[in-house]
Amino acid sequence: ILNVEQSPQSLHVQEGDSTNFTCSFPSSNFYALHWYRWETAKSPEALFVMTLNGDEKKKGRISATLNTKEGYSYLYIKGSQPEDSATYLCAYKNTGNQFYFGTGTSLTVIP
Amino acid sequence: NAGVTQTPKFRILKIGQSMTLQCTQDMNHNYMYWYRQDPGMGLKLIYYSVGAGITDKGEVPNGYNVSRSTTEDFPLRLELAAPSQTSVYFCASSYPGQGAGANVLTFGAGSRLTVL
Repeated sequence: ILNVEQSPQSLHVQEGDSTNFTCSFPSSNFYALHWYRWETAKSPEALFVMTLNGDEKKKGRISATLNTKEGYSYLYIKGSQPEDSATYLCAYKNTGNQFYFGTGTSLTVIP
Repeated sequence: NAGVTQTPKFRILKIGQSMTLQCTQDMNHNYMYWYRQDPGMGLKLIYYSVGAGITDKGEVPNGYNVSRSTTEDFPLRLELAAPSQTSVYFCASSYPGQGAGANVLTFGAGSRLTVL
């Protein structure tokens, strides 16, 4: 069984606060780490794909970092807005054809 | 461009009934996947396919079957529905490679199945 863990499970922040969450994954046979944003009643949408140790990706107020040697990735949201409320999923891909998903971090941004 | 289309969106089954969840994509993606999502659990892979005529088991294949006769379609069949198969099912597709967009999963809208 391959474990991908995300923490915290849920988070409530005030509008304007910055926040971050963690995804930990096996460091062996690493191929890629994906972050997806999943809004209620919709399907997951890709945020970032990271493949190299030390990768940093940014999209607006959201950014992510990757450490493949120790097996973790951080997702940061700067100045959270209510529209950022969603579940954020990470997915680890090894050198096979499968993705392994974490259970997600549910973010609620309070206006 | 419709992306990944799943039908039906909702279905209620009785124990022992069978049904097929349909999934079709119009992006010419080689890879297709079926996941199930249960409360408090991550998405679990049921079956996947790397191309027409090729299918493989994922983490939780028991009670399901798939086929991939064309690039576009990847139906998931439940032969004898059980309450444990009550879940939300997501189909996804991707294409392999190294460029931007490669290996990124595009998901369908989901199918909520209840087995009573």
